[in-house]
Amino acid sequence: DTGVSQNPRHKITKRGQNVTFRCDPISEHNRLYWYRQTLGQGPEFLTYFQNEAQLEKSRLLSDRFSAERPKGSFSTLEIQRTEQGDSAMYLCASSLARGSNYEQYFGPGTRLTVT
Amino acid sequence: DAKTTQPNSMESNEEEPVHLPCNHSTISGTDYIHWYRQLPSQGPEYVIHGLTSNVNNRMASLAIAEDRKSSTLILHRATLRDAAVYYCILKETSGSRLTFGEGTQLTVNP
Repeated sequence: DTGVSQNPRHKITKRGQNVTFRCDPISEHNRLYWYRQTLGQGPEFLTYFQNEAQLEKSRLLSDRFSAERPKGSFSTLEIQRTEQGDSAMYLCASSLARGSNYEQYFGPGTRLTVT
Repeated sequence: DAKTTQPNSMESNEEEPVHLPCNHSTISGTDYIHWYRQLPSQGPEYVIHGLTSNVNNRMASLAIAEDRKSSTLILHRATLRDAAVYYCILKETSGSRLTFGEGTQLTVNP
C-alpha cells in the first residue's frame, strides 16, 4: 500500500453514461497525476496538478475528459459520454516535488469497463 | 521524450541475480534514468533512479554506462515477488510526466 487510494476500484458502465473517479494522494504531496493503461501497454500520461492548478494535459485528454483538484487535496477524473475505447485502467499517482527529481507513488487504479 | 529499448521478456531463477538491460542512445544530458516495476493487478512502483553514477538502494542497483547510452537494473537475489513488468524511463530534469514504454516482463522460476 503506497498511501494513494483510488475509488472505485472497478466500474462497469454503459456506453454514453458519465463516470467519475476519485483519487486521494499522500497527504503532503503537492503533485498529482492521472495515467491511463490499456491491456499489455505501459501507462500513458493524461494530466497533472501542482496543488490545485492543472499544469499539463496530454493530447489524449479529449473534451469528454475533465479533471479537478479542488483545494489541492483529492482529485476527480470525469469522463462524459463514455465510449468503448475508454475501457482501461485509470491510475493516479502523487509526488512531493522538490529539487529536480522525485519518485511518483501510484494508487491501485480504477478499472473501467464500458459495455 | 527520449526513447528507451528493453527486451520484451526475461526469465530468472529464484535467489539468482537478474540483470535487466535498457538502451537509451538518444538520452540528453539532463535526462534522469528511472526504473519502475508493476506487479500483477497493481499500480507501478518506483524502484530506483540515477543520472551518471551507479546507484544502490534496498530494492536494487542501477549501473549506468559511461556514455549513458545504456543502463542495467540489477536485482541481487530474485524472489518470486519480483515477477513483474519492469519499465526503464528517461525523465527530463524539468519534466513532470513519466513516459512508459512496454517494459520487460520478468518471470522468476522457483
